[in-house]
Amino acid sequence: TQLLEQSPQFLSIQEGENLTVYCNSSSVFSSLQWYRQEPGEGPVLLVTVVTGGEVKKLKRLTFQFGDARKDSSLHITAAQPGDTGLYLCAGENYGQNFVFGPGTRLSVLP
Amino acid sequence: DVKVTQSSRYLVKRTGEKVFLECVQDMDHENMFWYRQDPGLGLRLIYFSYDVKMKEKGDIPEGYSVSREKKERFSLILESASTNQTSMYLCASSFGWAGQGDTGELFFGEGSRLTVL
Repeated sequence: TQLLEQSPQFLSIQEGENLTVYCNSSSVFSSLQWYRQEPGEGPVLLVTVVTGGEVKKLKRLTFQFGDARKDSSLHITAAQPGDTGLYLCAGENYGQNFVFGPGTRLSVLP
Repeated sequence: DVKVTQSSRYLVKRTGEKVFLECVQDMDHENMFWYRQDPGLGLRLIYFSYDVKMKEKGDIPEGYSVSREKKERFSLILESASTNQTSMYLCASSFGWAGQGDTGELFFGEGSRLTVL
């Protein structure tokens, strides 16, 4: 079974700080997705990265896919309370299924 | 607006009862998935389906079965509920895969929180 690890598991920061969340695996994935989940709701897609080394920016969020397509990072600049939530990475297994990491629970305090 | 609807937000059942969790999507998606979500374990795949009447086991199929009689509907069945099946159950659908040029986005329902006593 393919596994994805995420670190840190929990993160509590003050508004305005920067942070990075990591997603790592020993397996190669055809693509990697990042989702954010808020309490009482299902996860919502933030981004999909497909090419090794790819960097995508979504306003204050920067996503990077590792060169070997085994790992990814999510960097948030100047975090805001609205960024609070559970961040999940998911690796696509070549059109077969998705494998999810355990998540990073982020709390941004005003 | 795309939508995945799960029939029950909250259920409480007793050990040994049969449980049906229904999921309907209105996006004409081929792929549908059932996950369970537990703290610290993330989302674990129970079953998925690429087409009507087709099903594939995920990572943790034991104790579960599924049914996909129509394209838009994917049902999860617990034949005899047990306490270790207490969890949040999430249904998702997708159009395609990122490798095929699609984003591969999974559209999730709001979840069904099942408690087995």
